[in-house]
Amino acid sequence: QVTLKESGPALVKPTQTLTLTCTLSGFSVTTSGMRVSWIRQPPGKALEWLARIDWDNDKFYSTSLKTRLTISKDTSKNQVVLTMTNMDPVDTATYYCARMSSFGSGSIWFDPWGQGTLVTVSS
Amino acid sequence: DIQMTQSPSSLSASVGDRVTITCRASQSISSYLNWYQQKPGKAPKLLIYAASSLQSGVPSRFSGSGSGTDFTLTITSLQPEDFATYYCQQSYSAPYSFGQGTKLEIK
Repeated sequence: QVTLKESGPALVKPTQTLTLTCTLSGFSVTTSGMRVSWIRQPPGKALEWLARIDWDNDKFYSTSLKTRLTISKDTSKNQVVLTMTNMDPVDTATYYCARMSSFGSGSIWFDPWGQGTLVTVSS
Repeated sequence: DIQMTQSPSSLSASVGDRVTITCRASQSISSYLNWYQQKPGKAPKLLIYAASSLQSGVPSRFSGSGSGTDFTLTITSLQPEDFATYYCQQSYSAPYSFGQGTKLEIK
């Protein structure tokens, strides 16, 4: 069974750096074709895609946030890590990680998702 | 970046109704369009991928159509468990983008 689980601090202060971990189960971060993304959702608002990392270490980032984001993988722990610098109260959100599944036509989608972790930015 | 626009933003309907939600991309995305359902406090759940393919386990009352820039999600014979928020998402190119969501409420 494929599952993902997010972990990290529930509260960070403005200007601090956030580090979130996504622990994968049922599939390996090194398996050919593996892709994992981070997505966030401020309270009561829409989903926002943040970053993606592939099995071959290709990385992709949100245009508006790319200067603040770093995505990486820890193969020994089968984890994907997201760091976001210079946190601000507007970054308060539930942060999700999700596997990106694909089909022969090239279509890709987010499934499954982790349960999400709420991060509040406040002094 | 590709912008995704959903309409309506909210919708009231009754059990048994047929509803349609639309999603428009700012440029052609072929059939690289997915639909998700989200209930309060839960992670989104994939309903439809590649514009019209039903995810395994999703009831057949859900269907998707469209290509290019215009897409629709249709739910026939609404059930109580279908009242939720629905999002479209383009996977044509990164950065991936979601619509702003459509909240489906009970009339």
